[in-house]
Amino acid sequence: SQTIHQWPATLVQPVGSPLSLECTVEGTSNPNLYWYRQAAGRGLQLLFYSVGIGQISSEVPQNLSASRPQDRQFILSSKKLLLSDSGFYLCAWRPAGGPLEQYFGPGTRLTVT
Amino acid sequence: AQSVAQPEDQVNVAEGNPLTVKCTYSVSGNPYLFWYVQYPNRGLQFLLKYITGDNLVKGSYGFEAEFNKSQTSFHLKKPSALVSDSALYFCAVREVSAAGNKLTFGGGTRVLVKP
Repeated sequence: SQTIHQWPATLVQPVGSPLSLECTVEGTSNPNLYWYRQAAGRGLQLLFYSVGIGQISSEVPQNLSASRPQDRQFILSSKKLLLSDSGFYLCAWRPAGGPLEQYFGPGTRLTVT
Repeated sequence: AQSVAQPEDQVNVAEGNPLTVKCTYSVSGNPYLFWYVQYPNRGLQFLLKYITGDNLVKGSYGFEAEFNKSQTSFHLKKPSALVSDSALYFCAVREVSAAGNKLTFGGGTRVLVKP
């Protein structure tokens, strides 16, 4: 069966520091991968999605970037964090060419101080 | 662009009573609709989807949803709510772009089931 991992689970970082969040999926090949941010325990904002290695689509121009160095690895980064980057970051996957529903990881709680 | 709206920020219901969480959609073409649930500090869990076929869709944990084309709605329902159903619920719609499929989510509805 497929499993999605995210780490770290929680992170507290000062303003201006770099960020790297990692997401990996097990038990599938060539998944579609997604990064979302959820602020204040409410709506989801799609940040990036990827249909293959090195292929990244950006939804919202901002202080963040994403990379997909391996088939089942998706990384969210920032060079300098802002206070407004605080939130709950969720990674999701779906099988390429398969059902349309996405499956979510456990999330990373980021607090920028 | 496709969109979904959840008109209620919060729904309060007594345990054992029917639960309904509302969702309306705006799409061009055939709608592909989804419901997810999120418990505190957890990722979203997929409940059910409507792609085509029967207007009443059954999903996980006793939930079902009714697709109504004339009212452009896709309301989530449970005949008898449990305290453990207290959570944040999201409706979503599929969007197709040049880069692939993605989901657009509603703003979420918080459900509180009181004992």
